[in-house]
Amino acid sequence: QQQVKQSPQSLIVQKGGIPIINCAYENTAFDYFPWYQQFPGKGPALLIAIRPDVSEKKEGRFTISFNKSAKQFSLHIMDSQPGDSATYFCAAKNFGNEKLTFGTGTRLTIIP
Amino acid sequence: GAVVSQHPSWVICKSGTSVKIECRSLDFQATTMFWYRQFPKQSLMLMATSNEGSKATYEQGVEKDKFLINHASLTLSTLTVTSAHPEDSSFYICSAGLAVGLLLDNQYFGPGTRLTLL
Repeated sequence: QQQVKQSPQSLIVQKGGIPIINCAYENTAFDYFPWYQQFPGKGPALLIAIRPDVSEKKEGRFTISFNKSAKQFSLHIMDSQPGDSATYFCAAKNFGNEKLTFGTGTRLTIIP
Repeated sequence: GAVVSQHPSWVICKSGTSVKIECRSLDFQATTMFWYRQFPKQSLMLMATSNEGSKATYEQGVEKDKFLINHASLTLSTLTVTSAHPEDSSFYICSAGLAVGLLLDNQYFGPGTRLTLL
């Protein structure tokens, strides 16, 4: 019940396209859903996060869509650029629990 | 803001050596720090959670005598891999929790330490 399932495992999108990465969870106690971006040989960097009281959150070119009833959330990257090529991890945690549960990661490649 | 540093960024050493990795929160106080291990092309695996001034809580299957964690201050946690062997070669990443009021909100990650045992 602590799992977060992430798909796809890898994704190739042309520059300017909108890659979409999906995550699904089962634990209804989760109340915080961050996305992390990781470049090779570097630690993950917090990209954007959402709580279940809103259905969408935008920060720059990054948007999280959240569907509480379906227990799914997704990351959209608008006007994608080659510099966005990285591995993206979704995660989830619930109030009172310090630990993050990570998805398996999506390797995104943006081709010029 | 919310910068976390790790030192060293990479280390290569002989089997049997003990290796210490430092994790520092540079511009905030972190009551809770986390240590992760990441194998190539895989997700992050939580090893342990450390709270300042108390013993670390280890995840199931992580040997606490092998991976010694000390969280002596609100800005510093250390991971010591004792008597390291080739199977301990990995990418070790720490994170520091930023509290918002009484809640632990975001985790901010360090840049990682690549450990290679020969």
